[in-house]
Amino acid sequence: EPEVTQTPSHQVTQMGQEVILRCVPISNHLYFYWYRQILGQKVEFLVSFYNNEISEKSEIFDDQFSVERPDGSNFTLKIRSTKLEDSAMYFCASSERTSYNEQFFGPGTRLTVL
Amino acid sequence: GQNIDQPTEMTATEGAIVQINCTYQTSGFNGLFWYQQHAGEAPTFLSYNVLDGLEEKGRFSSFLSRSKGYSYLLLKELQMKASASYLCAVREDDYKLSFGAGTTVTVRA
Repeated sequence: EPEVTQTPSHQVTQMGQEVILRCVPISNHLYFYWYRQILGQKVEFLVSFYNNEISEKSEIFDDQFSVERPDGSNFTLKIRSTKLEDSAMYFCASSERTSYNEQFFGPGTRLTVL
Repeated sequence: GQNIDQPTEMTATEGAIVQINCTYQTSGFNGLFWYQQHAGEAPTFLSYNVLDGLEEKGRFSSFLSRSKGYSYLLLKELQMKASASYLCAVREDDYKLSFGAGTTVTVRA
């Protein structure tokens, strides 16, 4: 069964460093998303991406964040200068031809900022 | 803004039925989803309601009343592996899902 994959599974970085989290969505999916979940808290929407542009973003997704689809398969989330409060599990998700289908989540990248 | 409420914890016995309620107040409504999340893992899709009524899917059923801003997820014939967090999520517009805090269900033998 096709699935969303994410790398790395765990990333440890120093405060102020840049990180890039990588995702490979399901191959025939056209809508891509990033969510985050701080330990013990709820899943929060960051950004959605369709047709090579951001379709919606939350107030969390400030200028320190960016997304890119550098080729036909990868979808990346970059955090330019990490802060302690960026420590969380980051989930990539994708959905099929329209945005009205369910979103399939990847296994997540646990980001720890020291 | 959005407010999505669900109970924090529920406990049930193996083989029993448990109903997890979710109430929501959101600026828009374009469907309600239930996801299951085991600790440290990704949410996995369980069910989707956009029209009022009951959707049945094997051991899972989900109900929606849009006029009441209310949904429930029914877990039947509970197995030990059903112990997990169950997340209610509302799609307010075309894209993002807004999640509740989740209900941790513990299944006891």
